[in-house]
Amino acid sequence: QKEVEQDPGPLSVPEGAIVSLNCTYSNSAFQYFMWYRQYSRKGPELLMYTYSSGNKEDGRFTAQVDKSSKYISLFIRDSQPSDSATYLCAMSAGNAGNMLTFGGGTRLMVKP
Amino acid sequence: AAGVIQSPRHLIKEKRETATLKCYPIPRHDTVYWYQQGPGQDPQFLISFYEKMQSDKGSIPDRFSAQQFSDYHSELNMSSLELGDSALYFCASSFSGKVQETQYFGPGTRLLVL
Repeated sequence: QKEVEQDPGPLSVPEGAIVSLNCTYSNSAFQYFMWYRQYSRKGPELLMYTYSSGNKEDGRFTAQVDKSSKYISLFIRDSQPSDSATYLCAMSAGNAGNMLTFGGGTRLMVKP
Repeated sequence: AAGVIQSPRHLIKEKRETATLKCYPIPRHDTVYWYQQGPGQDPQFLISFYEKMQSDKGSIPDRFSAQQFSDYHSELNMSSLELGDSALYFCASSFSGKVQETQYFGPGTRLLVL
């Protein structure tokens, strides 16, 4: 079983919908939680970064971390066709040089 | 803002050949990470360097080696290439001096082994 689990999708929603993406993890050492967006054949682009439990909002994006449940979420409001991409959750324990452990990615399609 | 630079962007090699991938981190970043992403898969961590010293090691084959130089750029050397090495290779960099360590990814090098 992978350390980080993520529903692979694809998730198809109409433009303007609220999107909810989720990951669960098993390693309690993880302290830093990130969401990356990856377009086809491109490098992952950092969207959101959260330390420990709590919420963080940036424009249309909200990240939530619940360490007690080992569960993180990314919400996208007013989704746009340009949001169509693969969304990867990633986590680390946070020391310098520490590796990121990724979820498998969720493919999102926002239809006009 | 300056981003992570990787070269070459595309590389075609034959089995048993060698390849060298280069990564130039964001200015002032002192930590470099290498990841391998196969088709339809998430990135898998290979190796990282902090201040020119190896920091973490993941699922990197013994045929691969890497180093970080005094200017903080890094090179991933791959020998005896196999068909299964065909993948996207990403480099990421971060600045360890920040309390929050954020990795920024380069555009990747697409390696095709024939």
